Amino acid sequence: AQTVTQSQPEMSVQEAETVTLSCTYDTSESDYYLFWYKQPPSRQMILVIRQEAYKQQNATENRFSVNFQKAAKSFSLKISDSQLGDAAMYFCAYRRRRNNDMRFGAGTRLTVKP
Amino acid sequence: DGGITQSPKYLFRKEGQNVTLSCEQNLNHDAMYWYRQDPGQGLRLIYYSQIVNDFQKGDIAEGYSVSREKKESFPLTVTSAQKNPTAFYLCASSIRTGQDEQYFGPGTRLTVT
Repeated sequence: AQTVTQSQPEMSVQEAETVTLSCTYDTSESDYYLFWYKQPPSRQMILVIRQEAYKQQNATENRFSVNFQKAAKSFSLKISDSQLGDAAMYFCAYRRRRNNDMRFGAGTRLTVKP
Repeated sequence: DGGITQSPKYLFRKEGQNVTLSCEQNLNHDAMYWYRQDPGQGLRLIYYSQIVNDFQKGDIAEGYSVSREKKESFPLTVTSAQKNPTAFYLCASSIRTGQDEQYFGPGTRLTVT
């Protein structure tokens, strides 16, 4: 079974600084997708970034980037120039390529201090 | 605007009653999903549907039922057999199953007393 682990229940960062959220996963598959979702206080789940396992290049979306280490089964999210609006729960998720079964981590609550 | 709607945002029921949560999408997505979110936990899959008139159980389907009579709609019924129904329920959809990311609705908070 695939599992996703987020070892940091809570993190905080000063506005304008950089923070990295950790995620590890367990799988025997070689072809899969990884995602980071953001859930603000409104509880709307918003896709932040996605990574295909077959791509070696790390995905980037504006201030958000990932460090994907396939051999280590690690998928961390880096948020640069943190903004107050980045405060939210962040969930790491895994899904096999041909499967609908998306697995989520327990989440990391990010606080941004002004 | 295209999107996923869930109604109502808050729902209260007495124990022993069945309750149906609504999920509608106008994104022309083939696949739809229902998740449950409990405090301190990530999302867990209840049911999903790849096409109309077809659906599959997820990890925690016991005590729940779904239907998919229309492409746009995927209602979830929480039956009296669900032992701990109080939770936050999220509906999602994707263009097709497999590689595409899922887009989520705003969720429904169900409280059963």
